Amino acid sequence: AQSVTQLDSHVSVSEGTPVLLRCNYSSSYSPSLFWYVQHPNKGLQLLLKYTSAATLVKGINGFEAEFKKSETSFHLTKPSAHMSDAAEYFCVVRVTDSWGKLQFGAGTQVVVTP
Amino acid sequence: GAVVSQHPSRVICKSGTSVKIECRSLDFQATTMFWYRQFPKQSLMLMATSNEGSKATYEQGVEKDKFLINHASLTLSTLTVTSAHPEDSSFYICSARAGGEHYSNQPQHFGDGTRLSIL
Repeated sequence: AQSVTQLDSHVSVSEGTPVLLRCNYSSSYSPSLFWYVQHPNKGLQLLLKYTSAATLVKGINGFEAEFKKSETSFHLTKPSAHMSDAAEYFCVVRVTDSWGKLQFGAGTQVVVTP
Repeated sequence: GAVVSQHPSRVICKSGTSVKIECRSLDFQATTMFWYRQFPKQSLMLMATSNEGSKATYEQGVEKDKFLINHASLTLSTLTVTSAHPEDSSFYICSARAGGEHYSNQPQHFGDGTRLSIL
C-alpha cells in the first residue's frame, strides 16, 4: 500500500524567506508523487508532480521538490515566500490500483507573515 | 484547458432534505470522476470513483444509499446526499479525468468544491 506522511501540520514563515514543507512516502513500487495547494474554500491546484523522471521537479509559482529514494522523501521548497503562498498544502501519492486513486497526506497549513 | 466546474459552491439546508451537487467537465470528456469529502482542518478522503455509464465504486465505510452518485454523461456527474443530517456537513470536492480504468497516469482535474451545511 502507498501512503504519505506530512511531518508538519503548521509552518509559519516570514515573507521573503524560504519555505520547506516536508513529506515522507511509503511505497513498494516507484511512486508517483504530487504536491497540491488549496486556498480557503477552494479546490486543489497542482503545484508539481514526480513520475520517475528527473528527481528534482520544478513546479508553478517558484516551487520545487526533490525526490530522494534513500530518504523516502519528497519535500517541497520555495526560495522566497510570498503572501499569496498562505494556504494548505497536500502531499499526495497515486495508489497503484487500476484506477490510479490518490492518497492524500494530512496537509500542512502555511502562514506567511509580513 | 481542463476545467471542472462544481455547483453549487455553497448550500445550506434543513436536516432531512436531499441535496444534489453537480460536477461538470467544461472542455473535455471525463470518463472517470472522483468524489472526495473534506472535514474542517482535515485532509481529503475519497468517497467513490465513478465511471461514465457504470455504477460508482464506493470506498469502505461510505454508505452508497446515503451518497448517490450518477455519472450518466461524459461531462456530468452528480452526488446526491439523501436525507442529510448535520453530521453530513462537509466540503465536497470532485475531480475528473479523461481516461477510464487503466489510464491512471492521466491527471485528475479538481473542481472548486461545495460547502454543505445542514442545520
